[in-house]
Amino acid sequence: QKEVEQDPGPLSVPEGAIVSLNCTYSNSAFQYFMWYRQYSRKGPELLMYTYSSGNKEDGRFTAQVDKSSKYISLFIRDSQPSDSATYLCGQEGIQGAQKLVFGQGTRLTINP
Amino acid sequence: GAGVSQSPSNKVTEKGKDVELRCDPISGHTALYWYRQRLGQGLEFLIYFQGNSAPDKSGLPSDRFSAERTGESVSTLTIQRTQQEDSAVYLCASSLTGGLASEQYFGPGTRLTVT
Repeated sequence: QKEVEQDPGPLSVPEGAIVSLNCTYSNSAFQYFMWYRQYSRKGPELLMYTYSSGNKEDGRFTAQVDKSSKYISLFIRDSQPSDSATYLCGQEGIQGAQKLVFGQGTRLTINP
Repeated sequence: GAGVSQSPSNKVTEKGKDVELRCDPISGHTALYWYRQRLGQGLEFLIYFQGNSAPDKSGLPSDRFSAERTGESVSTLTIQRTQQEDSAVYLCASSLTGGLASEQYFGPGTRLTVT
């Protein structure tokens, strides 16, 4: 079983739709959870970072963590074509911040 | 300011040859990481450098892979006797402290193709 599972998609939605991206993880010792966005042929960039269970909002983006079910989500409201990218969920390794453990990534396309 | 830079951006090599990939981290960042991203896959941790401490090599897939870092600056990832399964994008990242919740900044990657 992979440490982090993520549906690879691809996911295609019309502009303005609400997007829901999800990951599950197996090790309850993970402390920090993040979402990275990766445009084609670019390195990933940090989108959102959260520690505790609950919701964290930043503009059109909301990250949700449910530690009891080991489930993390990213919601994008009023999606824009510029949101088209691959979204990677990640967790900090249990042995500290020496490495990030990533899901497979979900390729998202927002159609104008 | 300047971000993480990597060179070359693309590298095509024949099976069995050695390759060197370079990473220039953000100035002042003490921690440096290498990841591998195979086509359609997530990022796979390879190695981590933090200051003068011994590197964490736990992610290196075989003894054909090695990496060095000069002080808190440039790092090189070397792959000896390349195999076709080494074809991937190799990403470098740096962070200010390397501690928990220290954001990692990624470079654009080196796309390695082994023919």
